[in-house]
Amino acid sequence: AQSVTQPDIHITVSEGASLELRCNYSYGATPYLFWYVQSPGQGLQLLLKYFSGDTLVQGIKGFEAEFKRSQSSFNLRKPSVHWSDAAEYFCAVGSNYQLIWGAGTKLIIKP
Amino acid sequence: EAGVTQFPSHSVIEKGQTVTLRCDPISGHDNLYWYRRVMGKEIKFLLHFVKESKQDESGMPNNRFLAERTGGTYSTLKVQPAELEDSGVYFCASSQAPNTEAFFGQGTRLTVV
Repeated sequence: AQSVTQPDIHITVSEGASLELRCNYSYGATPYLFWYVQSPGQGLQLLLKYFSGDTLVQGIKGFEAEFKRSQSSFNLRKPSVHWSDAAEYFCAVGSNYQLIWGAGTKLIIKP
Repeated sequence: EAGVTQFPSHSVIEKGQTVTLRCDPISGHDNLYWYRRVMGKEIKFLLHFVKESKQDESGMPNNRFLAERTGGTYSTLKVQPAELEDSGVYFCASSQAPNTEAFFGQGTRLTVV
């Protein structure tokens, strides 16, 4: 069955610390991979996507993600988080925007 | 340029009533998508319009849900009659073409009591 797992429901990090949000997927073929962010009161915003090519993808707001086929993972990273990064982050896989979504990870930033 | 807008932002209705959600996509975007997130669960795809045609409605949960996109502009999603399990956040997104970036609205939070 196709699925996306974000094992961490909540993550708390200190401002300025590094961040890694985990995403594992199960999909029949090599999927398109996405990370979205939803800030309070806002819509879902695309952070980055992987379709093919370089497996290290750079996104907006200083985020990057690495596609590891052998591990079926697409983890999101940021070297130094800012208070404005507090939001909910969603990993999604699929094609033609018939996406399969993870349950989301809420990021809490400690001052 | 205006983004994707959804109305209302919140709706609280009683079980058995009817609710209509509206989505205005970005002008010129032929592709429009509806998604739903039931509380505490994953976001789920509902359906995909290309202009006024339903390209894929495989995610629609049952026949109490009716989506339309008359004239290929805005779209409505009607739930009739609403049930408790329909509570959640309904997202709309639009894109110029499939596999290009889809832009999401802020969502409509529906609560059925």
